[in-house]
Amino acid sequence: GAGVSQSPSNKVTEKGKDVELRCDPISGHTALYWYRQSLGQGLEFLIYFQGNSAPDKSGLPSDRFSAERTGGSVSTLTIQRTQQEDSAVYLCASSLDSGKNTEAFFGQGTRLTVV
Amino acid sequence: AQTVTQSQPEMSVQEAETVTLSCTYDTSESNYYLFWYKQPPSRQMILVIRQEAYKQQNATENRFSVNFQKAAKSFSLKISDSQLGDTAMYFCAFMIRGGADGLTFGKGTHLIIQP
Repeated sequence: GAGVSQSPSNKVTEKGKDVELRCDPISGHTALYWYRQSLGQGLEFLIYFQGNSAPDKSGLPSDRFSAERTGGSVSTLTIQRTQQEDSAVYLCASSLDSGKNTEAFFGQGTRLTVV
Repeated sequence: AQTVTQSQPEMSVQEAETVTLSCTYDTSESNYYLFWYKQPPSRQMILVIRQEAYKQQNATENRFSVNFQKAAKSFSLKISDSQLGDTAMYFCAFMIRGGADGLTFGKGTHLIIQP
């Protein structure tokens, strides 16, 4: 596609339910990033993929969070047993190559509300 | 770890005026990039300008320019001839060369351009 696409745009879920957030990067971009934006914490880096591989998962807030990327393209961020503190905007970004081309293009994010 | 500090939570100027947003950062790295991103109410982060740390020359993009002071670890953004469409949140961000650690963002400055 022309840009980074994230779905859903908005998600309201009940506390304790699992949610899956999707990111479609720009075609051909090998690097993919997830960030979380919340009022209290600002913008936090969560995880980076180079191809299908995530070398460091330590940025994920807890073990309820997981992420995967398949086919070097689509990525999903899964939050299990959601809590109210998970409410935030989750942003995805992709870049052609993290080392050689550092311009990251962002999607419009998924606003997650846990009630 | 890297930190990015934006000391102006909000700024307001009249249309056509020039405004400068400040940013300081702290790092022990020598190879890195600095960025200014704009986030309008649509939530999508848009790259305004970037600077490679090894380049002495300040980056310029049309009405946007930076004052990069490497020794002082300062990276301010100047917007000339400000326009109503410049109203947005502006985030200063840092990335180590290679990109595996993602972007480290400041807390942001809400810029309001008054007609």
